[in-house]
Amino acid sequence: DAKTTQPNSMESNEEEPVHLPCNHSTISGTDYIHWYRQLPSQGPEYVIHGLTSNVNNRMASLAIAEDRKSSTLILHRATLRDAAVYYCIPNAGNNRKLIWGLGTSLAVNP
Amino acid sequence: DAGVTQSPTHLIKTRGQQVTLRCSPISGHKSVSWYQQVLGQGPQFIFQYYEKEERGRGNFPDRFSARQFPNYSSELNVNALLLGDSALYLCASSLDAGAFFGQGTRLTVV
Repeated sequence: DAKTTQPNSMESNEEEPVHLPCNHSTISGTDYIHWYRQLPSQGPEYVIHGLTSNVNNRMASLAIAEDRKSSTLILHRATLRDAAVYYCIPNAGNNRKLIWGLGTSLAVNP
Repeated sequence: DAGVTQSPTHLIKTRGQQVTLRCSPISGHKSVSWYQQVLGQGPQFIFQYYEKEERGRGNFPDRFSARQFPNYSSELNVNALLLGDSALYLCASSLDAGAFFGQGTRLTVV
């Protein structure tokens, strides 16, 4: 299982972009990079995933390094509702056995 | 559309007792996974079921068991409860990419 390294915490101001980094230097060639977030007192929420190319959806963008050893989740305009713990998880794509680290706790200031 | 539903939402049990937690996946999702999350940590994988067959098991003792029914709903059973089993138990269902989580069952063992 690939290990991940994420900052323990980050802070942003409302309506500003946020870049959440993740290192996954031991990722296998076929693992996707998944991002989930967990708001306080809620179950985790799927955010986005990608393999090699950068990906966009309505929630966020995912920028994947060319060597795939790191990725960055981009929230284009942070809102107070984006305050959560963000987890980066390499996974084979079948959602089998998601391995969670401690994630990055994002605080958003009004 | 209904998301993943778990019941009960909260539960208090005594050491040594047995507990059954229930999960209904999103309609059409055939895969169900169970996770345990203790306070301050990321979720830990317990089981995954697909089409009623166990597809993966995490590092949990045999006191933990699960099953999936023909309608793809699932139950997690924990026997001989210990104080350390107190946690948020999360169920996730998935179809292809991305796992969708319920709000969890908060189990307190006293």
